[in-house]
Amino acid sequence: EAGVAQSPRYKIIEKRQSVAFWCNPISGHATLYWYQQILGQGPKLLIQFQNNGVVDDSQLPKDRFSAERLKGVDSTLKIQPAKLEDSAVYLCASSSRWGTQADEQYFGPGTRLTVT
Amino acid sequence: QKEVEQNSGPLSVPEGAIASLNCTYSDRGSQSFFWYRQYSGKSPELIMFIYSNGDKEDGRFTAQLNKASQYVSLLIRDSQPSDSATYLCAVNRGSTLGRLYFGRGTQLTVWP
Repeated sequence: EAGVAQSPRYKIIEKRQSVAFWCNPISGHATLYWYQQILGQGPKLLIQFQNNGVVDDSQLPKDRFSAERLKGVDSTLKIQPAKLEDSAVYLCASSSRWGTQADEQYFGPGTRLTVT
Repeated sequence: QKEVEQNSGPLSVPEGAIASLNCTYSDRGSQSFFWYRQYSGKSPELIMFIYSNGDKEDGRFTAQLNKASQYVSLLIRDSQPSDSATYLCAVNRGSTLGRLYFGRGTQLTVWP
């Protein structure tokens, strides 16, 4: 079974530029998550989708971050404009048991973003 | 008070020893608890989860949960140098479906 796919793996941009990340979850997983992991910290949830609907985006900085999951499969996370503090690894995860105690989330390889 | 707290370490144990990793959480209503392993420069990899009080074993790994004390731990028996990584504790509060709250992680080094 193929895992969660993400691209690109690395991205370097200047502040105020825009960037987009792509994620393809494990086949059949209805729930998709985007996490931000700053160096030395644990991942922090930005947004989660159940199929193509947003379940939780309470920690998404909506003035600069946006995300969509058209057709309930692939997802794109965008930052516009980027700030220095957005430098982090952006992790996509997916799960098939949302709403249960056994909601195992599987992570993709992540995209390492550096904003200069 | 942070949602999930872990000793940052580093924790250093010799090969073959038992490594004990600890985690406390603040929300008494939390429902399930996950342990992830993260190698340097890699993404988190799920080791196991637990949601009932007591112990749960999976190979060399044992997760222990004590909801009364709001404490969860991970024991690694017969530690190997390949176990050297950062171990992340994550909590599903239940009230916020799906959202995992992560600790900062404990760095484990197993020396030969």
